[in-house]
Amino acid sequence: DSGVTQTPKHLITATGQRVTLRCSPRSGDLSVYWYQQSLDQGLQFLIQYYNGEERAKGNILERFSAQQFPDLHSELNLSSLELGDSALYFCASSVGPLANQETQYFGPGTRLLVL
Amino acid sequence: DQQVKQNSPSLSVQEGRISILNCDYTNSMFDYFLWYKKYPAEGPTFLISISSIKDKNEDGRFTVFLNKSAKHLSLHIVPSQPGDSAVYFCAAVWGANNLFFGTGTRLTVIP
Repeated sequence: DSGVTQTPKHLITATGQRVTLRCSPRSGDLSVYWYQQSLDQGLQFLIQYYNGEERAKGNILERFSAQQFPDLHSELNLSSLELGDSALYFCASSVGPLANQETQYFGPGTRLLVL
Repeated sequence: DQQVKQNSPSLSVQEGRISILNCDYTNSMFDYFLWYKKYPAEGPTFLISISSIKDKNEDGRFTVFLNKSAKHLSLHIVPSQPGDSAVYFCAAVWGANNLFFGTGTRLTVIP
């Protein structure tokens, strides 16, 4: 158990809809990272928040947004969903802001299926 | 454009033998590399890392080798155990926060 929790575990929805994925980092961790893993793809870095503020942005679509709340949990909002958004979405957390010095601890993921 | 590549989607090794997982990258700006291990229905877990100023890092049965001139890194597991069967991802970082992961290699260790 990494200490990172993600809800829900599974999500099935229709094209055009909007969903919210939730992540609670490990106790004491200030950074939250979001990743997308599609079929045959590696983990694609989406976005990072550190202590409530956006720290780094990766391949995140404009239809997607995220935020980190004062209690440090984070939400990833996916809107106008398309079939291609079906994927595993992972959240990870680390203590500090720098990916190259911190071990990231991953949650179990949310599996999104868009029909 | 995949900046970090794991060209072998799968690898099978006999228990007790060496497992060698390979990873190639294209961006010479990468300055930190990591390996993660992933079991089904779980998130990846950190295994071992290496800074670009080193060419080898060892932790127990796991050793990572970095060849900067070839833009290649490898993970050696010796001896391989059935519990090592998992998907292994390599990842590379530059500029402190730019992270790129490979597509993963599924390792199967045969008892």
